[in-house]
Formats: sequence, structure tokens, C-alpha cells
Amino acid sequence: EAGVAQSPRYKIIEKRQSVAFWCNPISGHATLYWYQQILGQGPKLLIQFQNNGVVDDSQLPKDRFSAERLKGVDSTLKIQPAKLEDSAVYLCASSLVPGGAFYSYEQYFGPGTRLTVT
Amino acid sequence: AQSVTQLDSHVSVSEGTPVLLRCNYSSSYSPSLFWYVQHPNKGLQLLLKYTSAATLVKGINGFEAEFKKSETSFHLTKPSAHMSDAAEYFCVVSSAGNQFYFGTGTSLTVIP
Repeated sequence: EAGVAQSPRYKIIEKRQSVAFWCNPISGHATLYWYQQILGQGPKLLIQFQNNGVVDDSQLPKDRFSAERLKGVDSTLKIQPAKLEDSAVYLCASSLVPGGAFYSYEQYFGPGTRLTVT
Repeated sequence: AQSVTQLDSHVSVSEGTPVLLRCNYSSSYSPSLFWYVQHPNKGLQLLLKYTSAATLVKGINGFEAEFKKSETSFHLTKPSAHMSDAAEYFCVVSSAGNQFYFGTGTSLTVIP
């Protein structure tokens, strides 16, 4: 089974520029997540989709970050304009279902996109 | 609210000796807990998960973890470290909506 695909793997931009990341989840996975992992920290959830609807975007800086998941499959995460503190690895993950009150499903992670903002 | 605390940011062991990576959790209800490993420039890989079945959970590559509710702990162990175990390890607690809360990670170094 193919894993979660992400592109690009690396990106270097100047502050105030815009950037977009792409994610293709595992086939059939209804739930898709975007995480930000700053160097030396654990990943932090930015947004969670269930099919093409947003479940949680409470930690997404909406003044500069946006994400969409058209047709409930691929997703894009955009930053506009970028700041120095956005330098991080952006991870995409997917799970078969969102889980219920008493059970959680493992998430499968892509290799990530390493963003450097100069 | 859910959170995890990984008690050691760095652990160093000799090859062939036991590994212990410590994790305490906080959860407002019976949690699901996971351990993930991250090798340099690679994606996160699931080692094992606890979802209210057996308290001793066996994972891949000889790792296991024990859920102790009274101690709110979920420590990761392996009887004998291998050079290929050198990586970053993350303890994770999940919410009812399958939202993952990661610890800050433990970097494992294996000395030949």
C-alpha cells in the first residue's frame, strides 16, 4: 500500500513570500491532518479534515495560513505571507476514520516538507 | 485536556543494553496512547499503540510499553538496543476526535 505523499520535500523562501504544500493521503483514508514541527519540538496539529470538511482548525493561524481538501482526497496548505517563525517541517498525516469516543486510530505520516524562511 | 510529558530529552545507551524511554500522560478520560519513532529525514512511524485492551503492548522491532493507570505512565522499553534504534521517539495521547497531542520527544543515542 502506498504511503502518504508530500511535495515538495524542501523549500526555501524569503519572508513575506507565499508557499504551498501538497499532500496525497493513503487511498480510502477519510481523515487528513496537517502538523507543524518546529526544530526540537513535537508536531503540533494545525488542521484536521474529515473528507472535505474541516473538523478542527483552532490552532491554524488563519491570518496567514489556509488549507483546503477539495473532493476529499488531496490537500494543500498555504502560507501567505511567510514569517521567519514559520520555518519548520510541515507534516501531513491520514487515518482511516476519525476515531470515536473510546477508540483512536493510528495516523500514518508522510515524509514532511522542510520549510526555511530567510 | 490531554497532554504528555516525556521525562528525558536525551537518552544514551550502549548497544545490547536495555532501553527505557519514559512518558507520563494527562487525560480527562481513558486515553489512547501511542509511541512513534522518527529517523533523520524520515516520516514518523508507529511503534505501538494502547487502546484500552491489554495493558502490556508489544510493538515492532522488539519494543513494548506498559500502560499504568495508577501512575499515569506509558513507558517504552526494549531489552537490547541495536544501532538502528538511534532516532527520536515521541509519546502521543489522543483525544476523542483522534487529535494527537505529541510530547517533546526523546532522542535515543546507541553507543557501539
